[in-house]
Amino acid sequence: QKEVEQDPGPLSVPEGAIVSLNCTYSNSAFQYFMWYRQYSRKGPELLMYTYSSGNKEDGRFTAQVDKSSKYISLFIRDSQPSDSATYLCAMTYNNAGNMLTFGGGTRLMVKP
Amino acid sequence: EADIYQTPRYLVIGTGKKITLECSQTMGHDKMYWYQQDPGMELHLIHYSYGVNSTEKGDLSSESTVSRIRTEHFPLTLESARPSHTSQYLCASSRTSGNTIYFGEGSWLTVV
Repeated sequence: QKEVEQDPGPLSVPEGAIVSLNCTYSNSAFQYFMWYRQYSRKGPELLMYTYSSGNKEDGRFTAQVDKSSKYISLFIRDSQPSDSATYLCAMTYNNAGNMLTFGGGTRLMVKP
Repeated sequence: EADIYQTPRYLVIGTGKKITLECSQTMGHDKMYWYQQDPGMELHLIHYSYGVNSTEKGDLSSESTVSRIRTEHFPLTLESARPSHTSQYLCASSRTSGNTIYFGEGSWLTVV
């Protein structure tokens, strides 16, 4: 079993929909959680960074962490065709520069 | 915005040729990484470095080699390319104590 599981999709939604992307993980020691967005034939770029449980909002994006369930989510409000990309979750133990553990990524397609 | 550069972006090369993928970052990051990613598939860490003269193998076994003679430069070399090396290679860097990894745009290698 992988340490971090992510549904590969593709997830296809109409423009304007609310999108929910999720990751589950098995290691309860993970404390720091990230979401990366990767456009086709590009490198991943950091989208959201959260610590421990709770919510963090940045514009149309909300990252949610539920450590008790070992479950993290990324919500995208008012989705746009430009949000079409692969979204990867990543996580690690502390802020001391440990290696990130990545999920496999979910491919999202937002149709106009 | 991350300042990490990879060249070439796209390369088609014959079997048996030696290739070097270049990666440079201008952020002064001590840590640098090489990931391999097939289209639509997971990121796999193949090499990393904690600083000058430090190189380590990652989770995925790779026939490539790396060197770190200067902080800003982390080239990856394949001595004899094979079709099985066809993939996207992503270079990344991070601060010693930070969690955020910054990626380059990737080098797409096709070996024919």
